[in-house]
Formats: sequence, C-alpha cells, structure tokens
Amino acid sequence: SQQGEEDPQALSIQEGENATMNCSYKTSINNLQWYRQNSGRGLVHLILIRSNEREKHSGRLRVTLDTSKKSSSLLITASRAADTASYFCATDAGSGNTGKLIFGQGTTLQVKP
Amino acid sequence: GAVVSQHPSWVICKSGTSVKIECRSLDFQATTMFWYRQFPKQSLMLMATSNEGSKATYEQGVEKDKFLINHASLTLSTLTVTSAHPEDSSFYICSAGLDVETQYFGPGTRLLVL
Repeated sequence: SQQGEEDPQALSIQEGENATMNCSYKTSINNLQWYRQNSGRGLVHLILIRSNEREKHSGRLRVTLDTSKKSSSLLITASRAADTASYFCATDAGSGNTGKLIFGQGTTLQVKP
Repeated sequence: GAVVSQHPSWVICKSGTSVKIECRSLDFQATTMFWYRQFPKQSLMLMATSNEGSKATYEQGVEKDKFLINHASLTLSTLTVTSAHPEDSSFYICSAGLDVETQYFGPGTRLLVL
C-alpha cells in the first residue's frame, strides 16, 4: 500500500526558478527520504531527514519535516534543466527497523531551459 | 555511493516463460535486499523483502509462487517471474540495504511479456 501522497503530481517551471514538492504520510516514521528518478532509470538518493529533525539542507536542496502534520517538503532552489526528473518521498513507515520503504506517488518536475 | 547492478537491463519474452532477474551489490554486503515493481507513470510498489539465508517476506497481494526470490549470498538476490503474462510487464527495481536507513538502488530491469 502507498504511504505517501505527493503534490503536485506534475510541476513545470523555468530554469532558475525554485521548485517545491510536498509529501504527506499516514503512520509514524523514524525517517523520511527523498529520491530522484530520471526517466526509465533507477533511483538516486537525495536526502534523509529523521523524525527528530525539522529541516535539512544539501546543496540546492532543502527538506522540511513536520511530524505533527505528517508532512514533508522538498525545495530545489535555482533549478536547472538537469533537475528534470520524478521526485519521490519514501518513509520507513514504522517498519520496525527492517529498512522497508514505502514510496509516495511522486512529483514529475520539468525544468524548461 | 555504493553500486548495485541488475541484469538484464531489459528482457522481452513470450507469455508462459519464466524470467530471472539478478540484483548484485558490487562493493558491499547486503543482508537485506528489496524488490520493487513500477508501472508506467506510477510509483514504486514494494513486492518483497529478501533476506540472505532465509525466505523472502512478501507484501500483501504479491504472489510468492509467481515471484520467486532467492537470496543465496550477501551480494546476490534473484527474482524469477514464473509463467510470465503480459500483465507482468513492468519495470522491476531492486535495492540493497547497507543499513536500516540506507538503500542503494539498481538501475532497473524492464520486462515486456508478449
């Protein structure tokens, strides 16, 4: 079953603009991760945020986590055409530390040059 | 990051045949590997958790007799789609767990059943 809902489902922006994607989940978590998937390819890990953290940065990426609202956001600043991809959040969904991940529906981002 | 490979990268087969997909962690040992399926324009759905030396744990709704998983060593897990049918056509992705927080994903295998 799917844990997360993401919005928007699709996002189209111009190069240089910021892109914000949101993810909501249903059950308690230990951590939440964001992944990128280029068309027809495997997943690339972007960032992990733990349940006791509220914000995390990595380069042009900024992730927030609000456990009271069971939601997270991914902000990509100064977007580039190469950022065009699908972005997924994934939670461990209270898996009892099995490492099992439950993915959200994903946001397809298109960055126009 | 660590490297996980999948073989083959794509396969076309006739309905009724079986297809084996290999997932290898190339530079670390993974006691746990995961198999996902992804239909076009959809998200990844976890199919099963593969543990080295023990039986795989399947998610609800996944037929264990149809999707055979073997985790024979700490660097290799195989998924066999038995008696494949057109509805099994999908993108199959594996991941290898370095620890409970870290998984490295393979590049995926595209299966087309005619």
